[in-house]
Amino acid sequence: NAGVMQNPRHLVRRRGQEARLRCSPMKGHSHVYWYRQLPEEGLKFMVYLQKENIIDESGMPKERFSAEFPKEGPSILRIQQVVRGDSAAYFCASSPGSGRTYEQYFGPGTRLTVT
Amino acid sequence: DQQVKQNSPSLSVQEGRISILNCDYTNSMFDYFLWYKKYPAEGPTFLISISSIKDKNEDGRFTVFLNKSAKHLSLHIVPSQPGDSAVYFCAASAGNNDMRFGAGTRLTVKP
Repeated sequence: NAGVMQNPRHLVRRRGQEARLRCSPMKGHSHVYWYRQLPEEGLKFMVYLQKENIIDESGMPKERFSAEFPKEGPSILRIQQVVRGDSAAYFCASSPGSGRTYEQYFGPGTRLTVT
Repeated sequence: DQQVKQNSPSLSVQEGRISILNCDYTNSMFDYFLWYKKYPAEGPTFLISISSIKDKNEDGRFTVFLNKSAKHLSLHIVPSQPGDSAVYFCAASAGNNDMRFGAGTRLTVKP
């Protein structure tokens, strides 16, 4: 059973470009979470999605950031017009759902560097 | 606002001794607490958890203690092994989707 997969593992973007981060949850998991880890800080919740639905986006910056989890394919975290402050490690986690949202399994992360 | 705090950024212990990692929280609505372990270039992996209705949960070498009145929890690793060297994150949830993480403590276990 493959774990949570994220790609790319490393992404370099110039200021003003777009960044797309992909997350494939574990097989059988229908819930996806995105977290951001800034240097020297813990993981900060960004958004929680189920298939085709955004359940909670209270941790998402109001501008430039969006997330989706389509019926088919991976979840995508999209950052438009990136700035240097977006440089961070972005982790995706998945869970089986059905009240077991505590059981979150993390992917290896995508390290975004904005130059 | 940092609702979950790990005040020690690093800890070094000798192999075979006890490692004690501490975590404090401010939100009295938190009812579920977790510890995650993270190796470099990998995502966090779940280690052990505890519900607010308990004060102790044990799993092999790992024990988590919860002191609700002090809003404090700790992770004990006995005996510590070199393979335990990693960053440990404390996390807490208030029953919603928003799990709050501490900044992490880097544990080094010396052979």
